[in-house]
Amino acid sequence: NAGVTQTPKFQVLKTGQSMTLQCAQDMNHNSMYWYRQDPGMGLRLIYYSASEGTTDKGEVPNGYNVSRLNKREFSLRLESAAPSQTSVYFCASRLASGRGYTGELFFGEGSRLTVL
Amino acid sequence: AQSVTQLDSHVSVSEGTPVLLRCNYSSSYSPSLFWYVQHPNKGLQLLLKYTSAATLVKGINGFEAEFKKSETSFHLTKPSAHMSDAAEYFCVVTSRGANNLFFGTGTRLTVIP
Repeated sequence: NAGVTQTPKFQVLKTGQSMTLQCAQDMNHNSMYWYRQDPGMGLRLIYYSASEGTTDKGEVPNGYNVSRLNKREFSLRLESAAPSQTSVYFCASRLASGRGYTGELFFGEGSRLTVL
Repeated sequence: AQSVTQLDSHVSVSEGTPVLLRCNYSSSYSPSLFWYVQHPNKGLQLLLKYTSAATLVKGINGFEAEFKKSETSFHLTKPSAHMSDAAEYFCVVTSRGANNLFFGTGTRLTVIP
């Protein structure tokens, strides 16, 4: 199984350009997440989708939009990139939590974005 | 509110000596706790998780962690470090039924030959 697949792995943008990061999972998970990782700050949640058809803001949503295209796919869009958005972006998915069960996150390999 | 504090940003050990990575958590509800490992330029991999069953949790690659409610801690240990353990480690907290998970800022483990 591929697990969680992110594309592209690397991208360089100029300030003001737009781009979309794609994420797909093949584990039939309900919930999907986008995090950014910056040195010394751990992972911070940008947006998440608890289930197909819903999306919610996380800790650092400004400058980003998301789309839960279907159960498998969750994309992250930067409408007008800024240097502060230079980061490594991780997509993750999990089965979600239910009675007696707390699902762990499964991560993609990351997308390294540089905004000049 | 939920949060995690990883008490050391960097830990350095010699190969073959014990590893201790410290994590304290704050949670208004019964927590679920995880440790993840990240090798350079890779995604995060689950090491182990605590979800209110046994308080001593065994994970992959010889790691284990003990949930101590009285101390609000979930420290990660390994009896003998291996060179391949050099990586960044993240402690994560959530609660049953919650959508969000909260990450610590990470501890970088260096293993000296």
